[in-house]
Amino acid sequence: LAKTTQPISMDSYEGQEVNITCSHNNIATNDYITWYQQFPSQGPRFIIQGYKTKVTNEVASLFIPADRKSSTLSLPRVSLSDTAVYYCLVGEIGNFNKFYFGSGTKLNVKP
Amino acid sequence: GAGVSQSPSNKVTEKGKDVELRCDPISGHTALYWYRQSLGQGLEFLIYFQGNSAPDKSGLPSDRFSAERTGGSVSTLTIQRTQQEDSAVYLCASSLGVGLQLETQYFGPGTRLLVL
Repeated sequence: LAKTTQPISMDSYEGQEVNITCSHNNIATNDYITWYQQFPSQGPRFIIQGYKTKVTNEVASLFIPADRKSSTLSLPRVSLSDTAVYYCLVGEIGNFNKFYFGSGTKLNVKP
Repeated sequence: GAGVSQSPSNKVTEKGKDVELRCDPISGHTALYWYRQSLGQGLEFLIYFQGNSAPDKSGLPSDRFSAERTGGSVSTLTIQRTQQEDSAVYLCASSLGVGLQLETQYFGPGTRLLVL
């Protein structure tokens, strides 16, 4: 099962673009990459999912290089409310018998 | 529609007592997951159900932990003879199923367990 590595924490300021990179060197062919966001005292919330290249939705973009050994979550123009922990998750399609969220990246957005 | 609900929201118990934590998944979601999150830590995967079946129980921390799911819906996580190290937030999630595009997990608010 692919293990992920993320920075423990990041600081940013309101209005800036934030890029959080996740390493997953052992990603398998059937693995998808998913990012979740967790606010204090809440359960995680799905942000975005992708397999390769670029995926964009209303809240974020996900960049995945051709070798898929890493991925970058991009948050445009962050606000104070984006302060949260962001988890990168790599999972096998059809074989979700174990899920490893890791320790996540604590993003602190400052005014 | 309603999201994932968990009960109780908070539970304080004495060491050695048994506790039951309940999860009501989103209607129609066939997959259900339990996680544990200690203070300031990441999520620790415990167990996963597809329907009423748990294919792999090796994530459960010890034999004091058990989980069941009935009717493909409600799940109960039971901790017997609780220990202080069991204190954590227990999170439940559900997804439509297993397979491509179906596995986005929707999390409940969690049950905060404190073992004194």
